[in-house]
Amino acid sequence: AQSVAQPEDQVNVAEGNPLTVKCTYSVSGNPYLFWYVQYPNRGLQFLLKYITGDNLVKGSYGFEAEFNKSQTSFHLKKPSALVSDSALYFCAVRPSDSNYQLIWGAGTKLIIKP
Amino acid sequence: EPEVTQTPSHQVTQMGQEVILRCVPISNHLYFYWYRQILGQKVEFLVSFYNNEISEKSEIFDDQFSVERPDGSNFTLKIRSTKLEDSAMYFCASTLTGRGTGELFFGEGSRLTVL
Repeated sequence: AQSVAQPEDQVNVAEGNPLTVKCTYSVSGNPYLFWYVQYPNRGLQFLLKYITGDNLVKGSYGFEAEFNKSQTSFHLKKPSALVSDSALYFCAVRPSDSNYQLIWGAGTKLIIKP
Repeated sequence: EPEVTQTPSHQVTQMGQEVILRCVPISNHLYFYWYRQILGQKVEFLVSFYNNEISEKSEIFDDQFSVERPDGSNFTLKIRSTKLEDSAMYFCASTLTGRGTGELFFGEGSRLTVL
């Protein structure tokens, strides 16, 4: 079965330190990869995506993600965390055999401490 | 900035009742979606809709569910006879393109509680 894994339920980082939120996937073909963020009582907001090309993609709010095909990973990163980055982060993948649906990870709660 | 709006934000209903969740997608978007998230579980795809018909649906989207774009602006999800397990947050989303490369724009969700 196709799936997306976010192995950490929660990641704690001190403000100013680099952060990484991990995502690995198991889907067929060459998928499209996405990161979304959810702030409390808000909807899901798009952060960035990988479709093709450069393995390092840059997105909103200073976030970036690195696609690694051999490891089937798409980890989210930021060089210097802000307290305002605290939120729930979701990795999502569109398999190559679907035109529309996304398969989602369970989400990782990111807590940035001052 | 244009946004997807959903109503109601929270609905409580009795088991067996019909529920309609409403969404107003971004005005120039052409593809519309419903996702749901049961508390503590993953976000799950329900259905996608384009050109006034369903383009893809998941196993969750059985005969109890239907979608409609009644007036060119609203996009609705109807659950005919709600079950306890339908309790979830339902997210509407839209995209301009349907090739799968475009990011989804989500509403803030409608929380459905079935008693």
